[in-house]
Amino acid sequence: DGGITQSPKYLFRKEGQNVTLSCEQNLNHDAMYWYRQDPGQGLRLIYYSQIVNDFQKGDIAEGYSVSREKKESFPLTVTSAQKNPTAFYLCASSFGPSYEQYFGPGTRLTVT
Amino acid sequence: GNSVTQMEGPVTLSEEAFLTINCTYTATGYPSLFWYVQYPGEGLQLLLKATKADDKGSNKGFEATYRKETTSFHLEKGSVQVSDSAVYFCALSGTSYDKVIFGPGTSLSVIP
Repeated sequence: DGGITQSPKYLFRKEGQNVTLSCEQNLNHDAMYWYRQDPGQGLRLIYYSQIVNDFQKGDIAEGYSVSREKKESFPLTVTSAQKNPTAFYLCASSFGPSYEQYFGPGTRLTVT
Repeated sequence: GNSVTQMEGPVTLSEEAFLTINCTYTATGYPSLFWYVQYPGEGLQLLLKATKADDKGSNKGFEATYRKETTSFHLEKGSVQVSDSAVYFCALSGTSYDKVIFGPGTSLSVIP
């Protein structure tokens, strides 16, 4: 079955540590996206990539970094510079920016 | 700029009631319009879409019609069920855009 996988579902870290969230897709999509969602809030775009080896900052990129070395993978690193990293992180992919996005199940990150 | 506005939530309905969630947009060109649904603790799922004016998207009893004259894409369902309790996001995209624009989401609770 084609789809997007995010792992792990729940992640706990101590303050000051970097953490990397995994996102893999087997839909043959060119574009991939990372969003952050806080309780009761909408989606905020962190980074997006329309093609391998290229990515752009979204609305809230500070304190985050990404890489896109393979078409299937778009990992997100939450660095210690991110002031309030506890949130629900969603990865998505699409054939291109004008097409509908398909979402993974999300990773809930808790930093204490 | 391009934007999506949704009715304020939360919306609470009794089972079998009629549902309308209003969505209006501001956009250049001729965007595609989408409704996504997010169940608690999960990622977003595409519910329906419409790619040109007067198109009607439909799925699982939900419908929305692309109204260019009123720049609207209201979501409707004739008889809601408890299992429809979720957050609903209206969104738009287009060939000249580099990403999907999401509305803030509307939370729906259906009580027995």
